[in-house]
This record gives sequence, C-alpha cells and structure tokens, in this order.
Amino acid sequence: DAGVTQSPTHLIKTRGQHVTLRCSPISGHKSVSWYQQVLGQGPQFIFQYYEKEERGRGNFPDRFSARQFPNYSSELNVNALLLGDSALYLCASRDRQGSLFGRWTSGKYNEQFFGPGTRLTVL
Amino acid sequence: DAKTTQPTSMDCAEGRAANLPCNHSTISGNEYVYWYRQIHSQGPQYIIHGLKNNETNEMASLIITEDRKSSTLILPHATLRDTAVYYCIVRVGGKLIFGQGTELSVKP
Repeated sequence: DAGVTQSPTHLIKTRGQHVTLRCSPISGHKSVSWYQQVLGQGPQFIFQYYEKEERGRGNFPDRFSARQFPNYSSELNVNALLLGDSALYLCASRDRQGSLFGRWTSGKYNEQFFGPGTRLTVL
Repeated sequence: DAKTTQPTSMDCAEGRAANLPCNHSTISGNEYVYWYRQIHSQGPQYIIHGLKNNETNEMASLIITEDRKSSTLILPHATLRDTAVYYCIVRVGGKLIFGQGTELSVKP
C-alpha cells in the first residue's frame, strides 16, 4: 500500500514569492495534518484538516493557509515567503480525527503516518 | 510549548538495549504518550504509544511510571539502523507537540 506522498520533494523560492505544497494521504485516511520542521528542531504543528474542514491551527501567521479536497488530499500555501520559512514541511495522515465526542480513543486509528516531506529553501 | 523533556543525546552499543527516558510531569489524565523517531531528512516514523499501561510491539517497549510523569522507550537489541532522533510526544487534541528529541547513536 502506498504511504503518504508529498510533492515536490525539493523546492527553491525567493523572498516574497508564494508556494503550494501538496499531500496525498494514505488511502482511506480522512485527516491530514501539516508540520514545519526547521533544521535542528522538532516538527511544529501548523494545521489539521478532517473531512475537508480545518480542525486545528498552530501558532503560524496568516501567510500560511491550507485546504483539503473531496478526495482528502491537501495543499499547504505560504504567501510572501521569508527566509525563515526555509524548512522541511511534513504532511501526516490519520484514519480519523482522533476525538469522538471529546473522548480520545487509542488504537491504530490514531496513529499519524508521516510523508517524506518537502524541503523548501527560500533565498 | 513541548510538554516533554528528553536528554539531547545518547549512545548505545550495537546489540545492547537502548533505554530512552522522557519526562512529562504536566501530562493530563487522558493524554497519551507517543514515541516517534526520525532518521535523517525523512518523515517521523511511529514507534509506539500508551496511556498508563506498559506497551510492547515488534519495534519497542514503552514503560510508563505509575504516576504517568515519566516514561522509558526500550529498544531491546539496538542495531546501527536504529540511529535516529527519538521524539517523546504528548498528544494534545489532534496535534502532536514535538520537543527537541534525543539523538540516539548506536555504535558498533
């Protein structure tokens, strides 16, 4: 079975430009999350989408936006790129949102599976 | 802010058990502890997770203290391919809050 796929693998942009990153979740997974990983640090949560709706947002400026499509694939958009946006952008998918009526459940359905990431370099 | 603290780095001899500690003293009663690892420039890989009972799978064992304020990930027979950054994570809502992780070096 194919895992989470992301495109492109690498990308070079200049300051002020915008970028669109793409993610295809594991077949059957309805939840997609985006993370930013700056060199030397752990991934930082950006967004979570479930059933095409935003269900969570991290502490990132409005230059960052995302959406999820009917086939559950997702795009992350970043406008007015800054040098500090250079990072590995990771997409993770999960079978379900992870919360049912406020009660978190365990089991394999709550594992997040990460893609290989998109390496963005802003010059 | 990360809710976990881990040592920055650890070494382990090949074939020996690797024991990676994690403190999560502010964990809430319904928050799970997750462990992921990340090999250089790849996406994080799920290892194991638990709530309050010890857990074991084909990759590792997770030992959680009775007060749930700390846990230990055990790789029973470390190999060179286990060299990676290991993240101990407390899941908050639908998001994983990563800290700095522990860089484990398995040496021959």
